[in-house]
Amino acid sequence: IAGITQAPTSQILAAGRRMTLRCTQDMRHNAMYWYRQDLGLGLRLIHYSNTAGTTGKGEVPDGYSVSRANTDDFPLTLASAVPSQTSVYFCASSALADRNEQFFGPGTRLTVL
Amino acid sequence: GQNIDQPTEMTATEGAIVQINCTYQTSGFNGLFWYQQHAGEAPTFLSYNVLDGLEEKGRFSSFLSRSKGYSYLLLKELQMKDSASYLCAVVDSNYQLIWGAGTKLIIKP
Repeated sequence: IAGITQAPTSQILAAGRRMTLRCTQDMRHNAMYWYRQDLGLGLRLIHYSNTAGTTGKGEVPDGYSVSRANTDDFPLTLASAVPSQTSVYFCASSALADRNEQFFGPGTRLTVL
Repeated sequence: GQNIDQPTEMTATEGAIVQINCTYQTSGFNGLFWYQQHAGEAPTFLSYNVLDGLEEKGRFSSFLSRSKGYSYLLLKELQMKDSASYLCAVVDSNYQLIWGAGTKLIIKP
C-alpha cells in the first residue's frame, strides 16, 4: 500500500504509563512529522525529522521523544503519559523538508486517564 | 508571535459559492497551503500558493496577497460532501508549517 500508516488507531492509557505511537510510510519521503490536534486549536508540531538519522523539536515537544533510525519509520514515545496529552496524533511526511505538500496518516486517538 | 486567523465556522447552501478567509502574521513567508479535513479523518491537500494571485483547480480556487498577509479559498457549486473543516497553513522562515485552527464549513440543502 502507498501512504502512511499509524498504530494503534486508538488507545486508552493510564497516567504514568509509557506509550509508543507507530508511524510508517512507504513513499520514501525524506521528512516526517508528528502533530497533535486538539479541539479549537490548530495542528501543533511536536517533533520532526528532515531526513533519516536527524530529529528536531517542534512547538510542543515536552513529554515526547522521537527517533528516526530509517527512512520509513518515525515512532513517537510518551515516556510517562499525563492527562494533558489526551489528543489526536497525526503523523505526516513530505518528499523534502521545505514547501512540500505533507501527506497525513489516519491518526491515533489517545486518551490518558 | 506567529498567528493564523480563520473564521471558526461558516454555513452555506448546496450549489452556492463560499469564500473562506485566512490572514496571517508569521516570521517570514515561504508559501501557504489549504487542506481539507473531514470529521474524524486526516487532513488532505487542496492547494499551495507562493506567488500573489489566484490558483484555480476545478471547483476550488485559492488566492494569495503577500503584501496584505491574506489568502482565501473559494468553493463553487457546493456539494454536501464539501462539509468539512478547511485548514490554512503558512510556511515560515524556518520552513515549518504554522497552522490555523481551521474553519468548519456546514453545507445545508
